[in-house]
Amino acid sequence: QTVVTQEPSLTVSPGGTVTLTCTSSSGPVTSGDYPNWFQQKPGQPPRPLIYSTNNKHSWTPARFSGSLLGGKATLTLSGVQPEDEADYYCLLYFGGVQLMFGGGTKLTVL
Amino acid sequence: KLVESGGGLVKPGGSLRLSCAASGFTFSKAWMTWIRQAPGKGLEWVGRMRSTSNDGPIDYAAPVKGRFTISRDNSKNTLFLEMKNLKTEDTAVYYCTTGAGDGESLWGQGALVTVSS
Repeated sequence: QTVVTQEPSLTVSPGGTVTLTCTSSSGPVTSGDYPNWFQQKPGQPPRPLIYSTNNKHSWTPARFSGSLLGGKATLTLSGVQPEDEADYYCLLYFGGVQLMFGGGTKLTVL
Repeated sequence: KLVESGGGLVKPGGSLRLSCAASGFTFSKAWMTWIRQAPGKGLEWVGRMRSTSNDGPIDYAAPVKGRFTISRDNSKNTLFLEMKNLKTEDTAVYYCTTGAGDGESLWGQGALVTVSS
């Protein structure tokens, strides 16, 4: 059973930069896994941020960016704002038919 | 827009059917997904149904395979999740999602299912 792993928690200062990672126990994450990233705040459904590795939705702030680095999918926040404090989840599409979420990263802006 | 309904309290071993009403896009052409989130926990993929024109199996996550069934009624623009033999660990908010080649870009507000005696 494949496991998708994210950092449980990260802390960043306002205005700073932070990178969240998403790894797969079955091997390197590739563009064929179509990495997605979601932001979730308490009491709200997840909000899509990134799809297919590095594509932003029309509502995604410019400070969010996605990429692949060293066999991992990454989400980078540059110029972090207080409102970016939230849980972040990655999603991978294995073979296009089995989807799996990472355990989520709780981002604290302090 | 996606709107889930049908959530509620059910006893272990019981059954429940969730609905997801879709609007604003061509439902029959959409791949539709169910995702759940247990209280205080992370997101978990439940299953996915291909568009009507895309012949293929419905895919399910291992914890629900054989107990949950996804179906759709294109005439009513509605997706269903039939859940049987429910377990306490199935307690979660259930979301239906879809996308147009842009991942799971559209989410409903979710329906809470509580499995408890």
